[in-house]
Amino acid sequence: DGGITQSPKYLFRKEGQNVTLSCEQNLNHDAMYWYRQDPGQGLRLIYYSQIVNDFQKGDIAEGYSVSREKKESFPLTVTSAQKNPTAFYLCASSIGQGVTAQYFGPGTRLLVL
Amino acid sequence: AQTVTQSQPEMSVQEAETVTLSCTYDTSESDYYLFWYKQPPSRQMILVIRQEAYKQQNATENRFSVNFQKAAKSFSLKISDSQLGDAAMYFCAYTGTASKLTFGTGTRLQVTL
Repeated sequence: DGGITQSPKYLFRKEGQNVTLSCEQNLNHDAMYWYRQDPGQGLRLIYYSQIVNDFQKGDIAEGYSVSREKKESFPLTVTSAQKNPTAFYLCASSIGQGVTAQYFGPGTRLLVL
Repeated sequence: AQTVTQSQPEMSVQEAETVTLSCTYDTSESDYYLFWYKQPPSRQMILVIRQEAYKQQNATENRFSVNFQKAAKSFSLKISDSQLGDAAMYFCAYTGTASKLTFGTGTRLQVTL
């Protein structure tokens, strides 16, 4: 089955800890994205990558980092600099640049202990 | 910058009836896509329907159709023969040449018996 997988489904972070959220796709899509969703709100773009080894900041990149070493993978690290990390994180991918649809993974719920 | 506005935080419809969800957007671009995404309680974002700006014909996917008014920058979603499984948050979204999705704040749809 082609699709996007995210792991873990739930993640707990202690104060001062960095955590990494996994996103993998087997759709052969060039572009990948990370969004954050807070309760009762829409999605906000954190980072996106249109090709391997290249990525751009979205609207709320502070406190987050990403890498894109492989086409299939786009992990997101939530660093200790992110003071309010509790949220639902969604990964998406699309065929490539330009005007195309994005397809989403099932999401990761991050909670701070 | 592009903006997407959903002015109806909540809507309710009886099973088998028709409901229309509203969305307006603002852009100076001529080439763009508009989308409606559904987010059920599982929280995965599911693409419902898409509309290409250069197409005058309104998109239709089974019970879902849109009313795309380009000059008015309006993009409403009509759900016919509503079913209990249609209950969810619905997000209107825009993407243009920047390849980023801009989301509205969502409309929560309740379906009653």
